[in-house]
Amino acid sequence: AQSVAQPEDQVNVAEGNPLTVKCTYSVSGNPYLFWYVQYPNRGLQFLLKYITGDNLVKGSYGFEAEFNKSQTSFHLKKPSALVSDSALYFCAVRVYPNRDDKIIFGKGTRLHILP
Amino acid sequence: DAGVTQSPTHLIKTRGQQVTLRCSPKSGHDTVSWYQQALGQGPQFIFQYYEEEERQRGNFPDRFSGHQFPNYSSELNVNALLLGDSALYLCASSRRGVLNTGELFFGEGSRLTVL
Repeated sequence: AQSVAQPEDQVNVAEGNPLTVKCTYSVSGNPYLFWYVQYPNRGLQFLLKYITGDNLVKGSYGFEAEFNKSQTSFHLKKPSALVSDSALYFCAVRVYPNRDDKIIFGKGTRLHILP
Repeated sequence: DAGVTQSPTHLIKTRGQQVTLRCSPKSGHDTVSWYQQALGQGPQFIFQYYEEEERQRGNFPDRFSGHQFPNYSSELNVNALLLGDSALYLCASSRRGVLNTGELFFGEGSRLTVL
């Protein structure tokens, strides 16, 4: 069965500093990996995805993520954090093409950017 | 281009009652997935509908059922409500086949409170 782990419940970063939100996955097959962000009382917004190709993928709002197959990780990064980046971040995995075609989410990491 | 729309946005029910939540997918999308997000948790996959049939199902009891209509919109029904059913219910749409880019597009959710 596929699964996603986000080992940190909360990450605190000072504004202007680089940030990293960690994600590891477990799948039996080739993964599609995603990051989503959720603001209070809102739905999830897509940030970026890895399907194939370059291990470093760039997404919305200056975020990027690095796919590491040997470590089965897909960490979210940003060179310089903004207070407006404070939100709940979810890593997700999908195995496709596959009969079990669904996206599974991690439990989330709350990112708190300190002014 | 309308995104994913859900209704109602908020509702309050009492234990034992039944509830129906509705979702219209993003234009051009034909697949609808439903997720339950309890407070402080990641979204949990309930089921997915495509071509008016349930294609995938998560670990949810039969009290949770759904339907997809010919126009691709969908309903989630929950019978015999329990206090533990209180959550944000998220609808997400996507597109199958060669045009599938992998990610889900989410609505803003329906906040269900069971008293």
